[in-house]
Amino acid sequence: DSGVTQTPKHLITATGQRVTLRCSPRSGDLSVYWYQQSLDQGLQFLIQYYNGEERAKGNILERFSAQQFPDLHSELNLSSLELGDSALYFCASSDPGPGRRDTQYFGPGTRLTVL
Amino acid sequence: DQQVKQNSPSLSVQEGRISILNCDYTNSMFDYFLWYKKYPAEGPTFLISISSIKDKNEDGRFTVFLNKSAKHLSLHIVPSQPGDSAVYFCAATQETSGSRLTFGEGTQLTVNP
Repeated sequence: DSGVTQTPKHLITATGQRVTLRCSPRSGDLSVYWYQQSLDQGLQFLIQYYNGEERAKGNILERFSAQQFPDLHSELNLSSLELGDSALYFCASSDPGPGRRDTQYFGPGTRLTVL
Repeated sequence: DQQVKQNSPSLSVQEGRISILNCDYTNSMFDYFLWYKKYPAEGPTFLISISSIKDKNEDGRFTVFLNKSAKHLSLHIVPSQPGDSAVYFCAATQETSGSRLTFGEGTQLTVNP
């Protein structure tokens, strides 16, 4: 158990809909990362938040957005869903203080199926 | 542009023997490398990491070797156990991009009893 929790575990929805994925980081970790793993691609970095602020952005679609709340949990919002958004979405957390490189610990993931 | 590549999609070894998983990278700015193991329906689990200032890091049965001139790293597992059967991902990061990880495609390791 990594200490990172994600809900829901599975999500089935229709095209055009909007969903919210939730992540609670390990206790004390200030950074949250979101990754997408689709069938034809490996794990792709989407976005990172550090202590409530966006720190880095990867190939995240404009239809996707995220935020990190004062209690450090994070939500990934996916809107106008398309079939190709079906994937596993992982959250990871770490505590990369200035000048430090910490390991990222991953949650169990949310499997999103868009029908 | 695949900056981290794991060219072997699968590897099969006998229990007790050595497993060697390979990873190549193209971005010379990468300076920290990690290996993760992933079981089905679970998130990746951190195994071992290495900084670019080292060429070897060891933790129990797991050893990671880094050859910067060849832009190549490898994970050695010895002795291999059936419970090691999983997908192994190599990942890399560079200080200037924060802590985002760039992953390889993964290698499915099967350890046969």
